[in-house]
Amino acid sequence: EAQVTQNPRYLITVTGKKLTVTCSQNMNHEYMSWYRQDPGLGLRQIYYSMNVEVTDKGDVPEGYKVSRKEKRNFPLILESPSPNQTSLYFCASSLHKQGRGYTFGSGTRLTVV
Amino acid sequence: GQQLNQSPQSMFIQEGEDVSMNCTSSSIFNTWLWYKQDPGEGPVLLIALYKAGELTSNGRLTAQFGTTRKDSFLNISASIPSDVGIYFCAGQNENTNAGKSTFGDGTTLTVKP
Repeated sequence: EAQVTQNPRYLITVTGKKLTVTCSQNMNHEYMSWYRQDPGLGLRQIYYSMNVEVTDKGDVPEGYKVSRKEKRNFPLILESPSPNQTSLYFCASSLHKQGRGYTFGSGTRLTVV
Repeated sequence: GQQLNQSPQSMFIQEGEDVSMNCTSSSIFNTWLWYKQDPGEGPVLLIALYKAGELTSNGRLTAQFGTTRKDSFLNISASIPSDVGIYFCAGQNENTNAGKSTFGDGTTLTVKP
């Protein structure tokens, strides 16, 4: 089944403890992206990648890192999480850069205490 | 960055009624996308629009790409309870921001049986 898989689905962590949210897609998509969703703020893009070793900042990149060493994987790294990074995170991938839309994962709900 | 204003923010309607929502941008997009998010899931692509003036249908859903390329509209006819969810518009412009999708804040739809 064609899909974007994120792990974990739920995570509670403490301030300052480094964490990684994994994302993998099995559709051979070039484009991958991370979004966070907060009440009243919609979906805001954190980082995106147009291909292996090519990443760029979205609208809210502060406090996050990404890497794209392989086409299928696009992990999101929080080096020192803070409570304001408590949010619902979505990974997404797309075959073409324009117009085909993203396929989203099921989300990771992160709580930083 | 680019701003998308989506309205209305929420709608409460009776089953069987038609629904209209829209999205306006401060800048031009060359692709408009509409997604639906069910509770606890990631957004799913409903309709993609690629040309100014384009009108596209997907079952009871019809979306239009505004002629100014700064707006888009989504209509749902004869709503049913499973239409409940959050509807997002998204714009893409590969000429200026390849790889970026900018999302609206969403319209939350509630359908009363």
